[in-house]
Amino acid sequence: DIVMTQSPDSLAVSLGERATINCKSSQSVLYSSNNKNYLGWYQQKPGQPPKLLIYWASTRESGVPDRFSGSGSGTDFTLTISSLQAEDVAVYYCQQYYSTSVTFGGGTKVEIK
Amino acid sequence: EVQLVESGGGLVQPGRSLRLSCAASGFTFDDYAMHWVRQAPGKGLEWVSGISWNSGIIGYADSVKGRFTISRDNAKSSLYLQMNSLRAEDTALYYCAKDSVAAPFYYFDFWGQGTLVTVSS
Repeated sequence: DIVMTQSPDSLAVSLGERATINCKSSQSVLYSSNNKNYLGWYQQKPGQPPKLLIYWASTRESGVPDRFSGSGSGTDFTLTISSLQAEDVAVYYCQQYYSTSVTFGGGTKVEIK
Repeated sequence: EVQLVESGGGLVQPGRSLRLSCAASGFTFDDYAMHWVRQAPGKGLEWVSGISWNSGIIGYADSVKGRFTISRDNAKSSLYLQMNSLRAEDTALYYCAKDSVAAPFYYFDFWGQGTLVTVSS
């Protein structure tokens, strides 16, 4: 299975500041035939199910604020919240779907400093 | 409006069985693959199993392979998870999740609220 490793485990950021979450896959999730990275990002707020934020590593899901952006390729990816808002307090997960055995990262908890 | 409503969770003894169901509405069920994802108390997400639109592609996490069986009934817009030989480590909130495509497995664009399974004597 492809192992997804997120860092840091948690981070505290001041309101309005940038938050950066990293995700590394144990093998490339870039499919050469279509040049797409099979990588998604989810947000899970306390007591709620996960919500899709980003797919294909950088495509924002409809309705997701543009302060959320995804980048990276191959094995190294980043989710950036450009200006942290109070409602962004949550745990964020990356997910690879390159393999039929889908796997998630361990999660990164984002809090307000 | 897309809705996924899980049911069937509860308290069960180790070694026993349980069947989870997920009732889908608000979209054409047989146009999409579906999945079960679990979350142990205070832990992260673990993909459990997925099934393509016509049941032609089925996958399981190694942790449940041979014990759990996923199935779907497109006529009833329902997804199922038969869980046998349950262990304490299967204790978790089980989410039903809709894939973004019929097949194979891609990202999950909608999740239910989950049903809690507790395995304990």
